[in-house]
Amino acid sequence: DSGVTQTPKHLITATGQRVTLRCSPRSGDLSVYWYQQSLDQGLQFLIQYYNGEERAKGNILERFSAQQFPDLHSELNLSSLELGDSALYFCASSVEGRTDTQYFGPGTRLTVL
Amino acid sequence: AQSVAQPEDQVNVAEGNPLTVKCTYSVSGNPYLFWYVQYPNRGLQFLLKYITGDNLVKGSYGFEAEFNKSQTSFHLKKPSALVSDSALYFCAALSSNTGKLIFGQGTTLQVKP
Repeated sequence: DSGVTQTPKHLITATGQRVTLRCSPRSGDLSVYWYQQSLDQGLQFLIQYYNGEERAKGNILERFSAQQFPDLHSELNLSSLELGDSALYFCASSVEGRTDTQYFGPGTRLTVL
Repeated sequence: AQSVAQPEDQVNVAEGNPLTVKCTYSVSGNPYLFWYVQYPNRGLQFLLKYITGDNLVKGSYGFEAEFNKSQTSFHLKKPSALVSDSALYFCAALSSNTGKLIFGQGTTLQVKP
């Protein structure tokens, strides 16, 4: 158990809908990262937050957004969902950022029908 | 472009034999290198990392990895494989310039009794 928690574990929804994925980092970690894992794209970095501020952006679609709250938990919002958004979404956290080891949560499996 | 390559989709080894999972990287600056393991329907578990110093890094569960700067490689090794080592292994590189973690496509390790 990495200490990173994600909810929900599974999410099934329809195209065009909007969902929110939640992540609580390990105690003491200030950085949160979001990744998408799919069969065709592999593991792709989406976005990083550090202590409430966006720090780095990867291959995140404009339909997706994230934020980190004062208590350091983070939410990833996915809107106007398409079939191709079906994937495993992982959250990771690290003490600070840049070169720290990232510890991953169990993931949220999103299925868009 | 920065990238991490794992040239083998699958590695098969008999229990008790040594195993090697290969990884090469192309990352600007001095890279930080990581290995993670993913069991079915689970998140990624951190195995080990290389930052600087000794080229042989020891990690969890008896795994080690050898950093070779001239070959830009970071191969994962274990002297004696266990059936329970069967899983999906990811190599990752973090550029100290960008702070982004780039993953290889993963290698499935199958250890047969």
